[in-house]
Amino acid sequence: NAGVTQTPKFRILKIGQSMTLQCAQDMNHNYMYWYRQDPGMGLKLIYYSVGAGITDKGEVPNGYNVSRSTTEDFPLRLELAAPSQTSVYFCASNWGQGSYEQYFGPGTRLTVT
Amino acid sequence: GESVGLHLPTLSVQEGDNSIINCAYSNSASDYFIWYKQESGKGPQFIIDIRSNMDKRQGQRVTVLLNKTVKHLSLQIAATQPGDSAVYFCAERGSNTGNQFYFGTGTSLTVIP
Repeated sequence: NAGVTQTPKFRILKIGQSMTLQCAQDMNHNYMYWYRQDPGMGLKLIYYSVGAGITDKGEVPNGYNVSRSTTEDFPLRLELAAPSQTSVYFCASNWGQGSYEQYFGPGTRLTVT
Repeated sequence: GESVGLHLPTLSVQEGDNSIINCAYSNSASDYFIWYKQESGKGPQFIIDIRSNMDKRQGQRVTVLLNKTVKHLSLQIAATQPGDSAVYFCAERGSNTGNQFYFGTGTSLTVIP
């Protein structure tokens, strides 16, 4: 199993540009998550999904959108990128329903200038 | 929102000594806690978890202690090795937030050979 994969690894955006961060998992997990991690800080939940077709906001959803059309994929969309969105983005997944250990991807380092 | 904090942002220990990393949480209703290890440039990796109906849980070289009276969590690493150098996060699951976890700021552990 590849586990949780994320692309791209690095990206530089100009203010106002848009992009999609890709996340895929091959563990047949029901739950998927997007976090951001600012330097020297813990992870903040952006959005999560408990299954295909279902998404919900986390702590810091503003400026982001997600979709979950399949069990495997959970892309994160940034519209009108702002410098405040410079961060490292992690995707994670787990079974949910009593199994809470989250498996994380390697992260995407995004810089908005 | 939730507040999960760590007492010490950095910790240095000699190789072979025991390490203790502390974490305070604010939600007395939190029912589940996880410790993650994050090596430089990687996503967090599960270490050990504990439910709120337990005071102690042991894994391989690691022990987590939970004191619900003072809302405090600790991670003990026995015979610390250079490979243990990383940032350690505690995360709490508020029992009323489904699969949402709130992460602390993290403690950077450096093992001195």
